[in-house]
Amino acid sequence: NAGVTQTPKFQVLKTGQSMTLQCAQDMNHEYMSWYRQDPGMGLRLIHYSVGAGITDQGEVPNGYNVSRSTTEDFPLRLLSAAPSQTSVYFCASSPGAGITDTQYFGPGTRLTVL
Amino acid sequence: GENVEQHPSTLSVQEGDSAVIKCTYSDSASNYFPWYKQELGKRPQLIIDIRSNVGEKKDQRIAVTLNKTAKHFSLHITETQPEDSAVYFCAASTLRGGADGLTFGKGTHLIIQP
Repeated sequence: NAGVTQTPKFQVLKTGQSMTLQCAQDMNHEYMSWYRQDPGMGLRLIHYSVGAGITDQGEVPNGYNVSRSTTEDFPLRLLSAAPSQTSVYFCASSPGAGITDTQYFGPGTRLTVL
Repeated sequence: GENVEQHPSTLSVQEGDSAVIKCTYSDSASNYFPWYKQELGKRPQLIIDIRSNVGEKKDQRIAVTLNKTAKHFSLHITETQPEDSAVYFCAASTLRGGADGLTFGKGTHLIIQP
């Protein structure tokens, strides 16, 4: 199993550009989520999904869109990048309640918006 | 929503001594409390977790205690070793044991002095 994978590892954008951060897991996990990590702020939840076709907002959803068309993939879209979105982004997955609630994190994407 | 406070932000201990990191949470409905370790440039990794129906949990040199009445929980590391140096995050969840996303503390940078 590759676990949780994220691409790209690094990305530099200009203000106003759009891009998609990719996240995939091969563990057949029901739950997937996106976090951003900023210095001194810990990790903050952006969006999450409890299964294919179902998504919901987390603590800091503004400026980001998600979709979940398959169990494996959970892409995060930035429609118009802003410098405030400079951060490290982590995707995580979890098997689901009743099995184990451990969240498995991907390796992260370091995004810089100029 | 949930608010998690974590202290201290930096903790320096001599190798072989014990380290204690404390967290408080605001939502009495929270029922799942994991601790993550993050080494520089790496992803967060779960080291131990506890549920609200348990007061203490131990795994070798690591233990977590939970006081539901006071709404606080703590991480205890005994006989610290150089490889324990990292940033540690506590987290809490009110929904299905964490599968729908976690609220994190801001982290504690643990430094083990040789």
